[in-house]
Amino acid sequence: EIVMTQSPASLSVSPGERATLSCRASQSVRSNLAWYQQKPGQAPRLLIYGASTRATDVPTRFSGSGSGTEFTLTISSLQSDDFAVYYCQQYIDWPPEFTFGQGTKLEIK
Amino acid sequence: EVQLVQSGAEVKKPGESLVISCLGSGYSFKTNWIGWVRQMPGKGLEWMGIIYPSDTETRYSPSFKGQVTISVDKSLSTAYLQLNSLKASDSAMYFCARSPITMGPGAFDLWGQGTMVTVSS
Repeated sequence: EIVMTQSPASLSVSPGERATLSCRASQSVRSNLAWYQQKPGQAPRLLIYGASTRATDVPTRFSGSGSGTEFTLTISSLQSDDFAVYYCQQYIDWPPEFTFGQGTKLEIK
Repeated sequence: EVQLVQSGAEVKKPGESLVISCLGSGYSFKTNWIGWVRQMPGKGLEWMGIIYPSDTETRYSPSFKGQVTISVDKSLSTAYLQLNSLKASDSAMYFCARSPITMGPGAFDLWGQGTMVTVSS
């Protein structure tokens, strides 16, 4: 099983500042990595797939980078709507399991 | 409108079985993977499995294999998640989600609203 480890577990950032969230895979997932945002009481929302491709209607302040085992989600200028929990997910074809990280809670400072 | 609509909340007793449905509309249901994700109260997302409606190819997480059954009825554009011999620890929110053929199977770009399952005696 590929284990996805996100850091930090929680992050306090002021609106307008930059947030950097990390995700590490226990073995290479190439670029088969997605990022999701989840707000309380809502389903997750896809932000990034293929490690760096923004999903439809995702603001340009969200960007993803990395490949192999190290990945980063950057939110360039935080807005109040961005405070949520963020998950990474690997979806490499083999082994056939598409595990999520444990999440990073982004809080208002 | 492109959407996934799940069946409503359920309250079950230990040992009972349950089937959750997920109806896709507004897109080609057959040619997009449908996956299931569990979220226990206050916890993170757990990938359970995924099915390709066109040929019913199904893949399960080792953590859930043998515990759940994923199926689909193409004629109804509906995917199903069957949970057997329910335990209190199965109490959770269950999401279905679409993974476009261009992404996968892999990233989920469209999600159902979730089905809350409560197992209690």
